[in-house]
Amino acid sequence: EVQLVASGGDLVQSGGSLRLSCAASGFSFRQSDMNWVRQTPGKGLEWVSDISPSGANEHYADFVEGRFVISRDNFKDRLYLQMNSLRVEDTGIYYCAKYKTYFGLSTLDSWGQGTVVTVSS
Amino acid sequence: IQMTQSPSSLSASVGDSVTITCRASGDITNNLGWYRHKPGKAPQALIYGTSNLLSGVPSRFGGSGSGTDFTLTISSLQPEDFGTYYCLQDYEYPFTFGPGTKVDFK
Repeated sequence: EVQLVASGGDLVQSGGSLRLSCAASGFSFRQSDMNWVRQTPGKGLEWVSDISPSGANEHYADFVEGRFVISRDNFKDRLYLQMNSLRVEDTGIYYCAKYKTYFGLSTLDSWGQGTVVTVSS
Repeated sequence: IQMTQSPSSLSASVGDSVTITCRASGDITNNLGWYRHKPGKAPQALIYGTSNLLSGVPSRFGGSGSGTDFTLTISSLQPEDFGTYYCLQDYEYPFTFGPGTKVDFK
């Protein structure tokens, strides 16, 4: 059974930093593209970032503006999101999700339960 | 690529047929997925590649479209189908979700 357990969310002041972590099990983590998606109050789901299986390729949403870094440890089966220069509008629930490809078409097929990030002014 | 959805919310009865539309600001071929999100739960993938149901998703869910215009249809709404439905384009980075359609019951 695929399990994704996100952690690291906390209350932090504007301008601060947080490191989110996602522990993966039940699938071949080192062969899987991984993503972070967030739900912000009143704005629904927002795609945040993606990292290739090897970690060589990363992509980010425009609103990241160089403040976040996605990374992974394929020996520990862990995904990370380092968030710097946090803003009030970054407040939300952050989900890690596995990206699976079926014959050239893909989906975020498994999701963790989310970790809550609150940024105060 | 910007995604829009309509309607933003709808109220329907059990057994009703429901249609949600999603429009992309550029051609995304068939790289469109649908997700449902219930409060306090992780989002769930329903459809990938415009029309392919994920394992375990009931056959009352259907997807269609191509290019810029897409549709999610629930043929006979069931009580467990409440929640907010989102489309997601994964044709090009950055991936983008639509703003969501909240489905509740009359």
